[in-house]
Amino acid sequence: AQSVTQLGSHVSVSEGALVLLRCNYSSSVPPYLFWYVQYPNQGLQLLLKYTSAATLVKGINGFEAEFKKSETSFHLTKPSAHMSDAAEYFCAVRERNTGFQKLVFGTGTRLLVSP
Amino acid sequence: EADIYQTPRYLVIGTGKKITLECSQTMGHDKMYWYQQDPGMELHLIHYSYGVNSTEKGDLSSESTVSRIRTEHFPLTLESARPSHTSQYLCASSDNEQFFGPGTRLTVL
Repeated sequence: AQSVTQLGSHVSVSEGALVLLRCNYSSSVPPYLFWYVQYPNQGLQLLLKYTSAATLVKGINGFEAEFKKSETSFHLTKPSAHMSDAAEYFCAVRERNTGFQKLVFGTGTRLLVSP
Repeated sequence: EADIYQTPRYLVIGTGKKITLECSQTMGHDKMYWYQQDPGMELHLIHYSYGVNSTEKGDLSSESTVSRIRTEHFPLTLESARPSHTSQYLCASSDNEQFFGPGTRLTVL
């Protein structure tokens, strides 16, 4: 069965600093990979997704993620954190070639941004 | 505007009450989902639907039930709420990617 591991339940950065949120997956076949963001008292919003085109994926709000098959990783980065980036971030995987789009989520990483 | 809606956003209710959480989407998606999310935990799929008159149980066992009589509507019902049902419930629909509603935070006293 697929699984997702997000290292670090909390990550703290200063405004303007690099943001790095880690995600590793376990799957024998490279799956589809997603990053979602959840602001307080809201649902999840898709940041970006990897579906097998370019390994470096650019998303909304200046975020990007790189798929590394050799490391089974899909880490999320942003060069310069903004206060508005403070939120919960979830990595998710989905098997390829399945009719049903079942997502398996990681436990989430809360990003804290200080002035 | 195409969107996905959930009502109520917050619900506090006593043990034993019957409740229905509403979910509607205006995107014409066939596939819809219900997830349960506890604080600091991942989302767990509890129900999904391929389309009208199709409902399936997800990975996490749940005492709730769902129905899909119309494409746009996917309500979740708890016949007798208990404190263990206290959680956040997120509804989603999908074409090539999943779109999430804002969630319902349920507290059962």
